[in-house]
Amino acid sequence: EAGVAQSPRYKIIEKRQSVAFWCNPISGHATLYWYQQILGQGPKLLIQFQNNGVVDDSQLPKDRFSAERLKGVDSTLKIQPAKLEDSAVYLCASSLVPPGYGNEQFFGPGTRLTVL
Amino acid sequence: AQSVTQLGSHVSVSEGALVLLRCNYSSSVPPYLFWYVQYPNQGLQLLLKYTTGATLVKGINGFEAEFKKSETSFHLTKPSAHMSDAAEYFCAAAPFYNQGGKLIFGQGTELSVKP
Repeated sequence: EAGVAQSPRYKIIEKRQSVAFWCNPISGHATLYWYQQILGQGPKLLIQFQNNGVVDDSQLPKDRFSAERLKGVDSTLKIQPAKLEDSAVYLCASSLVPPGYGNEQFFGPGTRLTVL
Repeated sequence: AQSVTQLGSHVSVSEGALVLLRCNYSSSVPPYLFWYVQYPNQGLQLLLKYTTGATLVKGINGFEAEFKKSETSFHLTKPSAHMSDAAEYFCAAAPFYNQGGKLIFGQGTELSVKP
Protein backbone atom coordinates (compact mmCIF):
# COMPACT_ATOMS: atom_id res chain seq x y z
CA GLU A 1 0.00 0.00 0.00
CA ALA A 2 1.15 3.56 -0.61
CA GLY A 3 2.62 5.37 2.35
CA VAL A 4 2.08 8.86 3.68
CA ALA A 5 3.05 11.43 1.07
CA GLN A 6 4.39 14.89 1.86
CA SER A 7 5.51 17.82 -0.24
CA PRO A 8 7.71 19.67 -0.62
CA ARG A 9 10.65 17.74 0.86
CA TYR A 10 12.73 20.83 1.41
CA LYS A 11 11.89 24.51 1.72
CA ILE A 12 14.05 27.54 2.39
CA ILE A 13 12.39 30.86 3.15
CA GLU A 14 13.23 34.13 4.80
CA LYS A 15 11.71 35.14 8.12
CA ARG A 16 8.29 36.77 7.90
CA GLN A 17 7.50 34.88 4.70
CA SER A 18 4.71 32.34 4.42
CA VAL A 19 4.98 28.64 3.69
CA ALA A 20 2.59 25.73 3.27
CA PHE A 21 3.09 22.00 3.53
CA TRP A 22 0.88 19.30 2.08
CA CYS A 23 0.16 15.79 3.33
CA ASN A 24 -1.74 12.88 1.83
CA PRO A 25 -2.32 10.11 4.40
CA ILE A 26 -2.71 6.41 3.84
CA SER A 27 -6.09 5.64 2.33
CA GLY A 28 -8.71 4.90 4.96
CA HIS A 29 -6.78 6.37 7.88
CA ALA A 30 -9.14 8.54 9.90
CA THR A 31 -6.53 10.10 12.15
CA LEU A 32 -3.93 12.54 10.82
CA TYR A 33 -1.13 14.23 12.73
CA TRP A 34 1.32 17.05 12.14
CA TYR A 35 4.51 16.96 14.19
CA GLN A 36 7.35 19.43 14.49
CA GLN A 37 10.81 17.90 14.95
CA ILE A 38 13.53 20.34 15.90
CA LEU A 39 17.09 19.14 15.39
CA GLY A 40 18.17 16.89 18.26
CA GLN A 41 14.68 16.49 19.69
CA GLY A 42 11.82 14.07 19.41
CA PRO A 43 8.74 14.92 17.35
CA LYS A 44 6.25 17.21 19.06
CA LEU A 45 2.58 17.00 18.15
CA LEU A 46 1.24 20.22 16.66
CA ILE A 47 -2.25 19.13 15.68
CA GLN A 48 -4.28 15.95 15.45
CA PHE A 49 -7.32 15.48 13.23
CA GLN A 50 -9.99 12.81 13.50
CA ASN A 51 -11.54 12.76 10.03
CA ASN A 52 -11.85 16.51 9.35
CA GLY A 53 -12.29 17.59 12.97
CA VAL A 54 -9.54 18.83 15.27
CA VAL A 55 -8.91 16.60 18.29
CA ASP A 56 -5.86 18.30 19.76
CA ASP A 57 -4.17 21.55 18.76
CA SER A 58 -2.95 22.53 22.21
CA GLN A 59 0.68 22.93 21.06
CA LEU A 60 -0.04 24.70 17.78
CA PRO A 61 1.12 28.34 17.83
CA LYS A 62 -2.18 29.63 16.57
CA ASP A 63 -0.98 33.17 16.00
CA ARG A 64 1.12 31.96 13.09
CA PHE A 65 0.31 28.32 12.38
CA SER A 66 -2.89 26.99 10.83
CA ALA A 67 -3.93 23.60 9.52
CA GLU A 68 -6.91 22.15 7.80
CA ARG A 69 -8.06 18.78 6.60
CA LEU A 70 -10.73 19.22 4.01
CA LYS A 71 -13.02 16.27 3.31
CA GLY A 72 -11.15 14.22 5.90
CA VAL A 73 -8.34 13.23 3.55
CA ASP A 74 -5.49 15.58 2.53
CA SER A 75 -4.18 18.18 4.92
CA THR A 76 -2.21 21.40 4.71
CA LEU A 77 -0.15 23.10 7.39
CA LYS A 78 0.63 26.79 6.96
CA ILE A 79 3.01 29.12 8.73
CA GLN A 80 2.45 32.86 8.34
CA PRO A 81 4.71 34.67 9.10
CA ALA A 82 7.65 32.35 9.71
CA LYS A 83 10.20 32.92 12.45
CA LEU A 84 13.76 31.66 12.72
CA GLU A 85 12.73 29.20 15.45
CA ASP A 86 10.33 27.51 13.04
CA SER A 87 13.28 25.85 11.31
CA ALA A 88 12.56 22.16 11.76
CA VAL A 89 11.33 19.03 10.04
CA TYR A 90 7.56 18.87 9.77
CA LEU A 91 6.29 15.32 9.83
CA CYS A 92 2.86 14.16 8.83
CA ALA A 93 1.56 10.84 10.11
CA SER A 94 -1.67 8.89 9.92
CA SER A 95 -3.31 5.97 11.68
CA LEU A 96 -6.51 3.98 11.46
CA VAL A 97 -7.63 5.05 14.91
CA PRO A 98 -6.41 7.51 17.60
CA PRO A 99 -3.29 6.75 19.70
CA GLY A 100 -5.23 5.55 22.72
CA TYR A 101 -5.93 2.22 21.07
CA GLY A 102 -2.33 1.18 20.61
CA ASN A 103 -2.29 1.46 16.84
CA GLU A 104 0.80 2.28 14.84
CA GLN A 105 1.24 5.70 13.32
CA PHE A 106 2.70 5.76 9.81
CA PHE A 107 5.00 8.65 9.05
CA GLY A 108 5.76 10.49 5.86
CA PRO A 109 9.32 11.49 4.91
CA GLY A 110 8.89 15.00 6.30
CA THR A 111 9.48 18.52 5.03
CA ARG A 112 12.70 20.17 6.13
CA LEU A 113 12.08 23.90 6.61
CA THR A 114 14.93 26.36 6.91
CA VAL A 115 14.06 29.93 7.88
CA LEU A 116 16.82 32.46 7.18
CA ALA B 1 1.51 14.71 32.66
CA GLN B 2 2.91 11.74 30.83
CA SER B 3 6.56 11.92 29.80
CA VAL B 4 9.16 9.71 28.17
CA THR B 5 12.85 9.84 29.01
CA GLN B 6 15.62 8.28 26.97
CA LEU B 7 18.90 7.96 28.82
CA GLY B 8 21.80 8.95 26.58
CA SER B 9 21.42 11.12 23.51
CA HIS B 10 24.20 9.21 21.80
CA VAL B 11 25.26 5.56 22.06
CA SER B 12 28.22 4.06 20.23
CA VAL B 13 28.84 0.33 19.87
CA SER B 14 31.11 -1.87 17.82
CA GLU B 15 29.72 -4.04 15.09
CA GLY B 16 28.63 -7.35 16.62
CA ALA B 17 28.25 -5.91 20.11
CA LEU B 18 25.10 -5.72 22.20
CA VAL B 19 22.85 -2.73 21.62
CA LEU B 20 21.00 -1.35 24.65
CA LEU B 21 18.92 1.81 24.38
CA ARG B 22 17.13 2.92 27.53
CA CYS B 23 13.63 4.30 27.87
CA ASN B 24 11.60 5.19 30.96
CA TYR B 25 8.07 6.52 31.09
CA SER B 26 6.15 8.35 33.75
CA SER B 27 2.51 7.45 34.01
CA SER B 28 0.25 6.20 36.78
CA VAL B 29 -1.28 3.71 34.37
CA PRO B 30 1.07 1.76 32.09
CA PRO B 31 0.69 3.21 28.61
CA TYR B 32 1.07 1.73 25.20
CA LEU B 33 4.79 1.87 24.35
CA PHE B 34 6.56 2.12 21.04
CA TRP B 35 10.05 2.21 19.58
CA TYR B 36 10.53 4.00 16.27
CA VAL B 37 13.67 4.28 14.13
CA GLN B 38 14.55 7.22 11.91
CA TYR B 39 17.18 6.99 9.20
CA PRO B 40 18.68 10.21 7.80
CA ASN B 41 16.23 12.28 5.78
CA GLN B 42 13.44 9.79 6.31
CA GLY B 43 10.30 9.56 8.41
CA LEU B 44 9.90 7.36 11.45
CA GLN B 45 9.40 3.62 11.10
CA LEU B 46 7.90 1.40 13.79
CA LEU B 47 10.33 -1.16 15.25
CA LEU B 48 7.99 -2.69 17.83
CA LYS B 49 5.21 -1.90 20.26
CA TYR B 50 3.83 -3.08 23.58
CA THR B 51 0.08 -3.02 24.10
CA THR B 52 -0.94 -5.82 26.44
CA GLY B 53 0.08 -9.42 27.09
CA ALA B 54 3.66 -10.67 26.81
CA THR B 55 6.13 -8.22 28.27
CA LEU B 56 8.96 -9.23 25.93
CA VAL B 57 8.19 -7.83 22.52
CA LYS B 58 10.03 -8.76 19.35
CA GLY B 59 10.28 -6.36 16.46
CA ILE B 60 11.85 -6.00 13.07
CA ASN B 61 15.56 -6.26 12.26
CA GLY B 62 16.30 -8.41 15.32
CA PHE B 63 15.32 -5.82 17.92
CA GLU B 64 13.33 -6.58 21.04
CA ALA B 65 12.17 -4.70 24.11
CA GLU B 66 10.98 -5.70 27.54
CA PHE B 67 8.22 -3.90 29.41
CA LYS B 68 8.96 -3.74 33.15
CA LYS B 69 6.11 -2.15 35.06
CA SER B 70 8.02 -2.10 38.37
CA GLU B 71 10.80 -0.09 36.76
CA THR B 72 8.55 1.92 34.39
CA SER B 73 10.97 0.97 31.65
CA PHE B 74 10.88 -0.24 28.06
CA HIS B 75 14.51 -0.71 27.04
CA LEU B 76 15.40 -1.69 23.48
CA THR B 77 18.02 -4.37 22.81
CA LYS B 78 19.66 -6.20 19.95
CA PRO B 79 22.19 -8.97 20.58
CA SER B 80 24.53 -8.09 17.73
CA ALA B 81 24.80 -4.66 16.14
CA HIS B 82 25.06 -4.25 12.38
CA MET B 83 26.36 -1.25 10.51
CA SER B 84 22.89 -0.73 9.05
CA ASP B 85 21.50 -0.18 12.57
CA ALA B 86 23.10 3.27 12.73
CA ALA B 87 20.14 5.65 13.06
CA GLU B 88 18.11 7.72 15.52
CA TYR B 89 15.82 5.77 17.84
CA PHE B 90 12.76 7.17 19.55
CA CYS B 91 10.76 5.73 22.40
CA ALA B 92 7.14 6.87 22.60
CA ALA B 93 4.11 6.36 24.82
CA ALA B 94 0.37 6.72 24.31
CA PRO B 95 -2.18 6.65 27.12
CA PHE B 96 -4.01 3.39 27.58
CA TYR B 97 -7.54 3.36 26.14
CA ASN B 98 -7.76 7.14 25.96
CA GLN B 99 -9.33 8.22 22.70
CA GLY B 100 -8.18 11.79 23.22
CA GLY B 101 -4.66 10.86 24.18
CA LYS B 102 -1.60 11.66 22.14
CA LEU B 103 1.71 9.99 21.42
CA ILE B 104 4.54 11.45 23.47
CA PHE B 105 8.10 10.97 22.21
CA GLY B 106 11.38 10.87 24.05
CA GLN B 107 14.20 13.09 22.88
CA GLY B 108 15.83 10.32 20.88
CA THR B 109 19.07 8.34 21.00
CA GLU B 110 21.49 8.38 18.12
CA LEU B 111 23.11 4.99 17.63
CA SER B 112 26.52 4.80 15.99
CA VAL B 113 28.04 1.47 14.96
CA LYS B 114 31.82 1.24 14.57
CA PRO B 115 33.36 -1.33 12.23
